[in-house]
Amino acid sequence: GESVGLHLPTLSVQEGDNSIINCAYSNSASDYFIWYKQESGKGPQFIIDIRSNMDKRQGQRVTVLLNKTVKHLSLQIAATQPGDSAVYFCAENQSSGYALNFGKGTSLLVTP
Amino acid sequence: ETGVTQTPRHLVMGMTNKKSLKCEQHLGHNAMYWYKQSAKKPLELMFVYNFKEQTENNSVPSRFSPECPNSSHLFLHLHTLQPEDSALYLCASSLSTGNTEAFFGQGTRLTVV
Repeated sequence: GESVGLHLPTLSVQEGDNSIINCAYSNSASDYFIWYKQESGKGPQFIIDIRSNMDKRQGQRVTVLLNKTVKHLSLQIAATQPGDSAVYFCAENQSSGYALNFGKGTSLLVTP
Repeated sequence: ETGVTQTPRHLVMGMTNKKSLKCEQHLGHNAMYWYKQSAKKPLELMFVYNFKEQTENNSVPSRFSPECPNSSHLFLHLHTLQPEDSALYLCASSLSTGNTEAFFGQGTRLTVV
């Protein structure tokens, strides 16, 4: 069936560098995308979302880019900090959908 | 805190036991969800409730039985589980189904022995 997947299972970055986490999706009907952060022992926490009528959205230290042509989504984290170490999930939904469909997750490790 | 509370946080049960997971939200949301999170797998949607009505059962075995008595509470009744059912069970809620952010609880870590 349709799926959401991530390019890399793990990503290691140095503190202070920028991080880029990528995600590919296959459902052309997807029109809502969201990034979650999950720390050990906790549930997923919302980071940022974007709708298909946009190609970029910025939050505090985070930017999400959407390329509908190639069905690709990315999360950029500026000046990565140790507290950013977590697993990051992308998810998608459709306006007619029932629930978010999640990708596998990328583990981000921030080293000093 | 996201406003979604799950109990218990941890549960160990035998294959012949019956137990229930509880989820509660007072965010005024109308949709509630159960997801299963196993190691090395994406979050798997199990059930969706919208305005207390089940709108999605994602081919979940009958040994998992959901109950939604009102828009604020969601239960997952468990019976005769298998060891492969051991996982983190996450509850989430959202204002509605469709294109909207879901708020997750901390999850119940279930171990079936």
